[in-house]
This record gives sequence, C-alpha cells and structure tokens, in this order.
Amino acid sequence: ETGVTQSPTHLIKTRGQQVTLRCSSQSGHNTVSWYQQALGQGPQFIFQYYREEENGRGNFPPRFSGLQFPNYSSELNVNALELDDSALYLCASSLEPGLAPLPYEQYFGPGTRLTVT
Amino acid sequence: GQNIDQPTEMTATEGAIVQINCTYQTSGFNGLFWYQQHAGEAPTFLSYNVLDGLEEKGRFSSFLSRSKGYSYLLLKELQMKDSASYLCAVGWNDYKLSFGAGTTVTVRA
Repeated sequence: ETGVTQSPTHLIKTRGQQVTLRCSSQSGHNTVSWYQQALGQGPQFIFQYYREEENGRGNFPPRFSGLQFPNYSSELNVNALELDDSALYLCASSLEPGLAPLPYEQYFGPGTRLTVT
Repeated sequence: GQNIDQPTEMTATEGAIVQINCTYQTSGFNGLFWYQQHAGEAPTFLSYNVLDGLEEKGRFSSFLSRSKGYSYLLLKELQMKDSASYLCAVGWNDYKLSFGAGTTVTVRA
C-alpha cells in the first residue's frame, strides 16, 4: 500500500509569484484535504476535494485554488504569493466522507515547506 | 465557532504520566481526534473518540465528554521518543477537521 506523497519537499519563492504543490493520495482513497501549518501552529484547513470537485473550503482567499485528477492526485495553487504564505503545506487523503468507522481518519503526507521571500 | 484550546507546552520525566487537555465549542461536533507530530514531520493518527468515555490504546488513552466539550490525551510510561507536538482535532458535521495549535511535550531523562 503506497502512502501519501507530496512534491516538492522544499520550495523558495518571491513575493508576487505563483506556486503549484502536488499530492498523490494513498491507494484506495478518493478524498484529499489540504492544510497550511505555520510554525508553532496547528494545521489550518484550506479545502477538500472529493471525486474531482471541491467539497468544502476553509477561511482562505480565492488566490488559493486546487484541482483533483481522475487518479485522485491533487494540486494546490497559490497566486500572488505573500510573505505570510510561508508555511508547511500538508496534504491528507481519506476514504469517502462519512464512511464508518473512522470517517475522518486522514493520512498525511510529509508536507511541502514553502518559503516566500 | 471552532475554538479549540490546548496548553502550549508540557514537560515530564521518562516513565511518568502526562495528561494533555483539550476544550472545544460543542456546536456541530462529530468526533475528536488526537495526532502526534514530530518536528519536521507530518501528523500521525493516535486516537478517535465519538462517544463519551475512555479509549485505551497501549500506553496512550483518550477521554471525551461531549456535554462539557472536553477531551484529554493520557500518555503513560513516557519514553524519550514521545517528545513531540500533540494535536487535538475536532471533526464537524460537514466532515471537516479543525486542529488546535498543539501541545509540545518534552520528555526529560
């Protein structure tokens, strides 16, 4: 069983640039959630994709957007980067929302560390 | 609201017991998770409570009181490798997860 993978591991961008982060979900999982984790904080929910459609969004501006592909891999795109976007971006995959017994059990990837200068 | 509160830091000695408390707003609650996160690594799942009471899993136990909006994670027989951040996360009726800021536990010899 293949775990959740993310690329790249680290990334440095300058303010105003755009970035694309990638995630491959765990085998058998069709739901992908993205989180932003600033240093010393817990992960903050950005959005979730289920069967290629956005299935809920946290309190993030529209310049944060995403895609999910037919093989359930996913991308997170951030436009017009700001210094405060510097964080660890985590992708987590899970079974279909609502599936018992652990509907929320999410398996996290290693993350992408984004630094905006 | 989704305010999730947990202490910032805790320190204990090897072999001891530590209890990490977590409080949350109860409206829309649909389950509580605990995750462990070592520095520079992804969070890993520890436990899940949806009903009141204690769930035991080896050296780790988690307790939930839904009426009080309260949970705790109990770490017994602490080992050096238990030094990590422990994240309390609440699942809501819309199947989303909200995380607390995490409690950094330092285990000393």
